[in-house]
Amino acid sequence: ETGVTQTPRHLVMGMTNKKSLKCEQHLGHNAMYWYKQSAKKPLELMFVYSLEERVENNSVPSRFSPECPNSSHLFLHLHTLQPEDSALYLCASSQARLAGGHVLGLQFFGPGTRLTVL
Amino acid sequence: SQQGEEDPQALSIQEGENATMNCSYKTSINNLQWYRQNSGRGLVHLILIRSNEREKHSGRLRVTLDTSKKSSSLLITASRAADTASYFCATVGDYGGSQGNLIFGKGTKLSVKP
Repeated sequence: ETGVTQTPRHLVMGMTNKKSLKCEQHLGHNAMYWYKQSAKKPLELMFVYSLEERVENNSVPSRFSPECPNSSHLFLHLHTLQPEDSALYLCASSQARLAGGHVLGLQFFGPGTRLTVL
Repeated sequence: SQQGEEDPQALSIQEGENATMNCSYKTSINNLQWYRQNSGRGLVHLILIRSNEREKHSGRLRVTLDTSKKSSSLLITASRAADTASYFCATVGDYGGSQGNLIFGKGTKLSVKP
C-alpha cells in the first residue's frame, strides 16, 4: 500500500452519465495529480494541484473536471464521456516545496480506477 | 517536449537471467526515475537518479545515467518470476530551480519465466 487510495476501482458508464472518481492520500502531502493511462500510449498527466495552486493541462477536454477541496482529497468529475476516454485513471500525491523554485517531490501512486465508457 | 522512450518494448527472459531496459530522453533533466507497474495496477517507485549522478544501486537494481547521451538503463540482476511487470522511466525537467512534471515513456513489458 502506498498511502494513496482510489475509489471506485472499476467503473462502467454510458456516454450520458455523470460520475466522479475519488482519490485520498494519507501521507500528509500537499500536491495531488490525475494521470490517464491508455493502451499503447504513455502515461499522460491531466491535472496537478500543488501548494493550493491548480495547474491545468490545456489539452484535457472540459468533460473532465477536477476538484481538490483540501490537500488530502482529489476528485475527477466526468460527464458526457466518449468511448476513447476508457482508460486507467491514476492518482498520485507528493510533498511539494518552494526552495528557490517549485519542486514537486517524489510521487506516490494509487492503484487506479479502470474506467470503461460504453 | 521531453519524453522517456524505453526499449525494448517487450522483453522475455528466464528466471535467474539479468534484464536490461534502456530509456532515452530529449531535453535537460533534474532527475530520472524508474517505476514498476503490475498489470492494471498503480505505479511503484523504484529508484531516482539525479542529473549529477552516473550510477545508483538498490538491491538487485542498478541504474545508470549518461546525460551526454540523454539515456539511462535499468538492470535487474538474478531476475525472478515476481519481477514480471511493466517498467517505466520518467524524467523531471529542470527549469532554473523549479522542476517540471513527470514525463513518462511507453514502458518495457518484462516477462520472467520460471
